[in-house]
Formats: sequence, structure tokens, C-alpha cells
Amino acid sequence: AQSVAQPEDQVNVAEGNPLTVKCTYSVSGNPYLFWYVQYPNRGLQFLLKYITGDNLVKGSYGFEAEFNKSQTSFHLKKPSALVSDSALYFCAVRDDTGGGADGLTFGKGTHLIIQP
Amino acid sequence: SQTIHQWPATLVQPVGSPLSLECTVEGTSNPNLYWYRQAAGRGLQLLFYSVGIGQISSEVPQNLSASRPQDRQFILSSKKLLLSDSGFYLCAWSVRGSGTQYFGPGTRLLVL
Repeated sequence: AQSVAQPEDQVNVAEGNPLTVKCTYSVSGNPYLFWYVQYPNRGLQFLLKYITGDNLVKGSYGFEAEFNKSQTSFHLKKPSALVSDSALYFCAVRDDTGGGADGLTFGKGTHLIIQP
Repeated sequence: SQTIHQWPATLVQPVGSPLSLECTVEGTSNPNLYWYRQAAGRGLQLLFYSVGIGQISSEVPQNLSASRPQDRQFILSSKKLLLSDSGFYLCAWSVRGSGTQYFGPGTRLLVL
């Protein structure tokens, strides 16, 4: 079985400061890892994914994430936060063993609040 | 490019009434399709997924059902709504094997 943990319900960051949203995972095979963002009353938007290759993945809106196999982590980062980054962020995982459903397991989400 | 539509955007229904939510995808063929429910702006619960026309898998037992009458159409239904069916319903699609799911704008359902 696969699982995702987002240990922080909420992260508060001052505008202009670097931000990190934490994610750890558990899968039986090699992981496919994803980050999504959700603005109020909207669907989830895909930010970035890690499948294989470089451990540092760059995505939309200046976000990046670092895959760390030994720590089974995939933390989301941004060098300089914007007020508009305030939203709900989800980490998701699936393993590489395939299966037609491509099922993702989502974390519970982290509210990111950027203070002006 | 691919787009995904959901309607209605908002729905208020009395307890015991039927439900039909529709999701359609444009710009792709033979997608995997998914229905999720999100309660109180937090975690997503996978309700149903489909890998092809007429092929539906249910992840949790519940008062809801799903159908896929056409390749790019996914419908979520109920014969009699319960108060606990209230929530934000999200449809998603993926290219088979890619893993990445793309979400629709969602339908907010309030059962009174």
C-alpha cells in the first residue's frame, strides 16, 4: 500500500522569504511523486512531478521540489514567496508497478499562508 | 489542448432527491477518468475510476454510483441523496500510464 504524509496543517511565511512545504511518502516500488495546488472553490492544479532523473524538479509558478530517496521525502520549495501563493497544497504518490487506473494517493493537504 | 468540464458548478438539493453530476473531457481519447469527493477543503477521497467505456471501479461503498456512457463522459449519480453526500466533487482525467491527473473545476453540492 502507498501513503503520503504532510505533517503540517498550515505553514506561515512572510512575503519574500523562502518557503518549504513538507511531504513524506511510502510505496512498495519506485515512486512517482506529484504536487498540486488548490485555490478556494477551485479544482486542483498540477504543479510538478518526479518520475526519474534529476532529484530537483522545477515546476509552475517558480516552485520546485527535491526528491530525497533516503529520507523518502519530496518537499515543495520556492525561493521567494508571493502573497498569491497562498493556497492549499497537496502531495501525491503512486508506485511504478503500473496498473490501469494510475491511482494516486493524496496527502491531507497543507494550507500555505503568505503574509504581506 | 485538453480541457475538462464539470457541471453544474453549484447545486443545492433536498435530502432524498436524485443527483446527476456530469464531467466531460475534450482533446484526448481513451482517458482514465476519476471522481473524488473533498470534504471541508481538505483531503481527497477517491470515489470511482474508469479505464474505459462501461468500466467502473468503486473505491468505497456509498450512496453514489458512476457511469461512463461515452469515452470522454463520466457521470456521478445518486437515487436518494443523504446529508452526508454534501461536499466538493472533483472529476479528473489522466493519460493511461502517465500518472499525472488533471482536475476539473469541481461541483459544490449542498444537501439540505
